[in-house]
Amino acid sequence: GAVVSQHPSRVICKSGTSVKIECRSLDFQATTMFWYRQFPKKSLMLMATSNEGSKATYEQGVEKDKFLINHASLTLSTLTVTSAHPEDSSFYICSAEQGSTEAFFGQGTRLTVV
Amino acid sequence: SQKIEQNSEALNIQEGKTATLTCNYTNYSPAYLQWYRQDPGRGPVFLLLIRENEKEKRKERLKVTFDTTLKQSLFHITASQPADSATYLCALGRDDYKLSFGAGTTVTVRA
Repeated sequence: GAVVSQHPSRVICKSGTSVKIECRSLDFQATTMFWYRQFPKKSLMLMATSNEGSKATYEQGVEKDKFLINHASLTLSTLTVTSAHPEDSSFYICSAEQGSTEAFFGQGTRLTVV
Repeated sequence: SQKIEQNSEALNIQEGKTATLTCNYTNYSPAYLQWYRQDPGRGPVFLLLIRENEKEKRKERLKVTFDTTLKQSLFHITASQPADSATYLCALGRDDYKLSFGAGTTVTVRA
């Protein structure tokens, strides 16, 4: 199956700093990528839909100035958590689609803000 | 608002038995339903998809049923093995490829 690589897998940052997470489709072109957030023992919550070459579409309640998404190419989308605070600590996961209903997920990024 | 419930947070079974997981939903009309496996600290991995006009799908030891009248899907793992221990997520989707996930059921298969 298609491979989606997410980097970094773990990151610890200080409160007030920004963190960038990359999501790459390695062997296919992804016109659409999705960013999710997952809390322990909870479901994945869709944060935003990222379309190549256009602005991301954010779900209700997600601050677009807080979570900056850039989808500059057909194989790369980035999520930047700006001015991170401890409540932003979570597991962030991206997925990419290639025109079918099967979603290919990255490995996830564990963000800890101290 | 839409709601997706996986009725058990955890399921413990003996090796060789069949694990049956349930996914119920309300206020939603999905075009398809998917099941994913998620291991600790990892992203979900796709297992099976079943469309609204399909009743049952099988893949090796996995079977999924979909009842749009009951708004329910059942996910079966037959002849379970310790390697099947993981969290299983159901996800509902429509033609925009957006997925709505349940919270998952953690299955533990005892040897």
